[in-house]
Amino acid sequence: QVQLQESGPGLVKPSETLSLTCTVSGGSMSGYFWTWIRHPAGKGLEWVGRFYTSGRTRYNYNPSLKSRVTMAVDTSKNLFSLTLRSVTAADTAVYYCARDLVGSSNAFDIWGHGTMVTVSS
Amino acid sequence: DIQMTQSPSSLSASVGDRVTITCRASQTIDNFLNWYQQKPGRAPKVLIYSASSLQGGVPSRFSGSGSGTDFTLTISSLQPDDSATYYCQQSYNTPRTFGQGTEVQIK
Repeated sequence: QVQLQESGPGLVKPSETLSLTCTVSGGSMSGYFWTWIRHPAGKGLEWVGRFYTSGRTRYNYNPSLKSRVTMAVDTSKNLFSLTLRSVTAADTAVYYCARDLVGSSNAFDIWGHGTMVTVSS
Repeated sequence: DIQMTQSPSSLSASVGDRVTITCRASQTIDNFLNWYQQKPGRAPKVLIYSASSLQGGVPSRFSGSGSGTDFTLTISSLQPDDSATYYCQQSYNTPRTFGQGTEVQIK
């Protein structure tokens, strides 16, 4: 079955760039929506953005983060990435990648285990 | 953005109790509402999708209802393994948004 695994540095300095990768195993990425979600400690879950890839790739970001976020995909390696620029302490969170079954259950049916990112000098 | 409001924020109940969590959307979302369970240190797990459909493998004591703006997650007979935080989430449009969570504790 499809599994997701996040990877990346656990510590990022303020004003620098956070970069994470999600590796997809056990299935194809094509034809699905793939998502990043984050969970700051003591707060609720926040949708960061998503993309859909089936030939052409379409991206959709949370307006609250849009100016700082970029997602990218490498279907040949079955992985996708998240880049968040000019980070502050407010970006400290557990970051999850997930699959969004848009057009089916419309739910996040598969999640990675999550990776903790701390923004601190 | 569609705001999702859950109540209560936390509850404590005994094994075997019937537990109800409510979620209200700031605008109509038809039945585009999902429920997740999250345990400490784990990723959320979908329990209910499209307001009332049980995800495969989820115990039948979990059920969902509602449409429009008001939704309910019910645990018919609370079990020790149900100690967790529960979140509602709308899939009506983007950005996808979540409720703030309801922590369920076992007495």
